Amino acid sequence: GVTQSPTHLIKTRGQQVTLRCSPISGHKSVSWYQQVLGQGPQFIFQYYEKEERGRGNFPDRFSARQFPNYSSELNVNALLLGDSALYLCASSFGGGKNNEQFFGPGTRLTVL
Amino acid sequence: QQQVKQSPQSLIVQKGGISIINCAYENTAFDYFPWYQQFPGKGPALLIAIRPDVSEKKEGRFTISFNKSAKQFSLHIMDSQPGDSATYFCAANESGNTPLVFGKGTRLSVIA
Repeated sequence: GVTQSPTHLIKTRGQQVTLRCSPISGHKSVSWYQQVLGQGPQFIFQYYEKEERGRGNFPDRFSARQFPNYSSELNVNALLLGDSALYLCASSFGGGKNNEQFFGPGTRLTVL
Repeated sequence: QQQVKQSPQSLIVQKGGISIINCAYENTAFDYFPWYQQFPGKGPALLIAIRPDVSEKKEGRFTISFNKSAKQFSLHIMDSQPGDSATYFCAANESGNTPLVFGKGTRLSVIA
């Protein structure tokens, strides 16, 4: 399945964080979502074949990249209290009309 | 602007009963409608999905009903069990590996 690391993370305001995701073998697309407690996931970024294919309504403090092995990193700079959330990575084939996205367990980020 | 509206926010069902969760969408370009199940501390798991070319899809105890003209779709859980207690999210996107737009979720509790 999709793996994410770390599982939990505690940071203070102003710090920077890097979250990691490994997609399902054979999948070439990775998407990042933010899930605030009690809400549905909100789209942050989508990557396919190492290219950014979409970006949600998030500030420039959020950035991401995809590596040649299709794994991905999400970086968040200058952390704010409001960045506390579950960060989810979703894996998909990326080609054709196949829409299925499979989520990892998430990284729980707490900003103090 | 919320593109997928989900109701109810919470639902309590007796064991053996039918759980029904409804969603409505606005974007007529959406053509893929999945439902995800999420347990506390876990990532969303793909439960069942439907495309607009059919009005109903059944997998075990889970059925999606789809009404294209009304732009609505619903999840029915037959013979609900305590193990079904979780948060359910409807979602939608367009073909071609586009980001998922999620509803706000329904917290289902199945009581014995």
